[in-house]
Amino acid sequence: GAVVSQHPSRVICKSGTSVKIECRSLDFQATTMFWYRQFPKQSLMLMATSNEGSKATYEQGVEKDKFLINHASLTLSTLTVTSAHPEDSSFYICSAQLTSATKNIQYFGAGTRLSVL
Amino acid sequence: AQKVTQAQTEISVVEKEDVTLDCVYETRDTTYYLFWYKQPPSGELVFLIRRNSFDEQNEISGRYSWNFQKSTSSFNFTITASQVVDSAVYFCALSEAGTDKLIFGTGTRLQVFP
Repeated sequence: GAVVSQHPSRVICKSGTSVKIECRSLDFQATTMFWYRQFPKQSLMLMATSNEGSKATYEQGVEKDKFLINHASLTLSTLTVTSAHPEDSSFYICSAQLTSATKNIQYFGAGTRLSVL
Repeated sequence: AQKVTQAQTEISVVEKEDVTLDCVYETRDTTYYLFWYKQPPSGELVFLIRRNSFDEQNEISGRYSWNFQKSTSSFNFTITASQVVDSAVYFCALSEAGTDKLIFGTGTRLQVFP
């Protein structure tokens, strides 16, 4: 159980275009999902916390108009990189939080490698 | 402030060797949670374990074991009889009570050679 699907796994786009990444929890409902960015051989940096039915909470330094997050249902959150530029090239990975009475655990998608030309 | 330190950047071992991955954390909270995740070359993070700050019992799951010591703020991870499939980057992470955010360490890349 606790499977999170992320799509697409890889995207190459031209500078100036927008790219949408989907994160789905397949076998559980997730009120809260998270979006991370990972640079090569580095750790994960939290970009934002996505809450179903409300606005996302962005970490300091993350442009909310640049990285649009929508969490319209309990199983789907989307990240849209608007007007992408080469410096946005990175590995983006989402997680969905499985919440129970005794524990909260984040389960991760397989990530999306974005290359902006 | 919260912080997770994984001092070992890379470790290489030969199959069947035991290997321990170190994790040291900093937090001012008395209630917190520690995690280990595995990131194989495919990219996804695989959840391995969650431990709360009130449970210092060591845990064993097959070839994996975890040693949680509050006195040294450490949560080390040992793989016994390592296998090539264990090759991955392993991340230790911390979250404090009242927040769901994970603070990740910088990861340890483990390479297991046949």
